Parts: sequence; structure tokens; C-alpha cells
Amino acid sequence: GQQLNQSPQSMFIQEGEDVSMNCTSSSIFNTWLWYKQDPGEGPVLLIALYKAGELTSNGRLTAQFGITRKDSFLNISASIPSDVGIYFCAGQASGTYKYIFGTGTRLKVLA
Amino acid sequence: NAGVTQTPKFQVLKTGQSMTLQCAQDMNHNSMYWYRQDPGMGLRLIYYSASEGTTDKGEVPNGYNVSRLNKREFSLRLESAAPSQTSVYFCASSEREGTKNIQYFGAGTRLSVL
Repeated sequence: GQQLNQSPQSMFIQEGEDVSMNCTSSSIFNTWLWYKQDPGEGPVLLIALYKAGELTSNGRLTAQFGITRKDSFLNISASIPSDVGIYFCAGQASGTYKYIFGTGTRLKVLA
Repeated sequence: NAGVTQTPKFQVLKTGQSMTLQCAQDMNHNSMYWYRQDPGMGLRLIYYSASEGTTDKGEVPNGYNVSRLNKREFSLRLESAAPSQTSVYFCASSEREGTKNIQYFGAGTRLSVL
């Protein structure tokens, strides 16, 4: 089935460092969502993007909707231990109720 | 406001047994979804219901059936469980507002089939 290419798959960083991850698709999307999943929990929405080129922040998190509408980026500044978890992107094409999810980026923060 | 509630949280089945996973949302959303999550595979859509009275297959529907009981509830049934259905199952709901359509997830049901 169709899935987004999300990278990196995992990353270990030092506390205080900045983090970047991205998702790419062969299809054009009208909406990009970024979720965080903690162990044993369901995904929780971080940021929603609706327009090409849109740049949206949520605290230390910033996400961008790529100009080509086939990619999106998530940055986390000054990482802290509670940033640990799995980050998922999800894209939705026009005229559909379905979202396609990336395979996730597993983030571990070393104190 | 509970959001999306899934029951049970954990379940162990023997091969061939049947069971129903329950999902309810209190946000008055029209659309509901069932996903399974396997290591390294992200979330894969099993079935979805765009609105009350309609259901459609997603990416991996084989071995599952669904029922949109009413606007609040969307259940997932395994008629004859197989070890390949060992997974974490998530229910989600959403409501389209103009161009916006955000999905909200439950906490998941962890299913093991022996």
C-alpha cells in the first residue's frame, strides 16, 4: 500500500540540539499533519498544515508545507528529554477522507 | 470530554477466536477510522466510515469487518483471528471544516493472537 517516505527512521541527539525530519510523497497532498506518539499511547496532533509554503509553529516545533505539495518538514528546537517518542507525518489528498501515514521517526534524547 | 475511547486496552486471543473492538467518540464527528500499527510500518488504514451509514475498505481490510452502529460508535470485528493480526489497533475520528480535516486518535487496543 501507499506510504510516505519519512526520514530519518531514528535519531539519537543530545539535549539542547535541534532536530529536523521530513516526509516525501509521490502524490500531491492538500493537508499535512504531524503527530507525536508516546509509548503505549495513541498519536497526538502537533501541527496541521493546509497551504503550500505554509510555515506553522507550536512552541519549539515548526512545520512547513513544501512548495511542491509533495513534502513536509518538522523541526524541533532545543530538544528536551520529553521530546522522546515517535513522530509521524500524514498527508491527505483532495477529495478523499483518507490519510496516508509515514513510517515514523523515532527520537531519543540523551541528557 | 473523553474524545475517542477504545475498549478493551489489551486482549489475547487464540487462533480462530472471534472478537469485536469497540470505539466511541463524543466529538460529534462524522468520520471514523480503524488503523493497525505494526513495528516499522506506521499506521495502515483497515476500514473507514466517512459518515453514519457508510463504510469503505482501506489499505488492509482482509480478515476484518466493521459496523458503524451510530454516529458515535464504530466497531471492528475479527471473525477468525490469525497470528498475523497481532498488532496495535487505533480508532480515530474527524470532522471536515472547510479545508480542514484533523484526525483524533484513541489510546489503542493491543491485541495478541497466539
